[in-house]
Amino acid sequence: NAGVTQTPKFRVLKTGQSMTLLCAQDMNHEYMYWYRQDPGMGLRLIHYSVGEGTTAKGEVPDGYNVSRLKKQNFLLGLESAAPSQTSVYFCASSSPTAITDTQYFGPGTRLTVL
Amino acid sequence: SQQGEEDPQALSIQEGENATMNCSYKTSINNLQWYRQNSGRGLVHLILIRSNEREKHSGRLRVTLDTSKKSSSLLITASRAADTASYFCATDAGTGGFKTIFGAGTRLFVKA
Repeated sequence: NAGVTQTPKFRVLKTGQSMTLLCAQDMNHEYMYWYRQDPGMGLRLIHYSVGEGTTAKGEVPDGYNVSRLKKQNFLLGLESAAPSQTSVYFCASSSPTAITDTQYFGPGTRLTVL
Repeated sequence: SQQGEEDPQALSIQEGENATMNCSYKTSINNLQWYRQNSGRGLVHLILIRSNEREKHSGRLRVTLDTSKKSSSLLITASRAADTASYFCATDAGTGGFKTIFGAGTRLFVKA
């Protein structure tokens, strides 16, 4: 099993450009998440999905859009990149139980917006 | 606003020593988890402690939870250079990962 994979691993954009980050998981998890990680800030939730065809906003959704057309894939889009979106982006997936919701993370995408 | 806050922000110790990291949170939780992040990698789940548990062990890891003080600690015994990483606590106020809030992390450096 590959677990959670993310593409690309690195990307440099100019202000105003658009791009899509792809996350794929092979664990048949219902839930998927996109986070951003900035120095000293920990992880902040951008958007999440509790199942195929559903998405919802997290803590910092502005400037991002997402889609979950297939259960195994969760796409994060930046329509018009801004320097404030320079960050490391992590995708995660989980299959919650009544007790816990351990998340499995991808390796991250390092994005720089000039 | 962050639910979990780790202390210290950074910790440097010698190999073989014990490392203790603390996490404080603000509201009631169902459980608390600790994750580890190696440089340039994603987070990896280490251990979970439920709100009705006070202590839990996993190998060289020992986690305690004091719900009256809204705090948790992670102890790594007999540390190794390979333990060098950032450690995050994550609190769950309910089931569903979108309710999980991560702290800013403690950076641990273990010198060989």
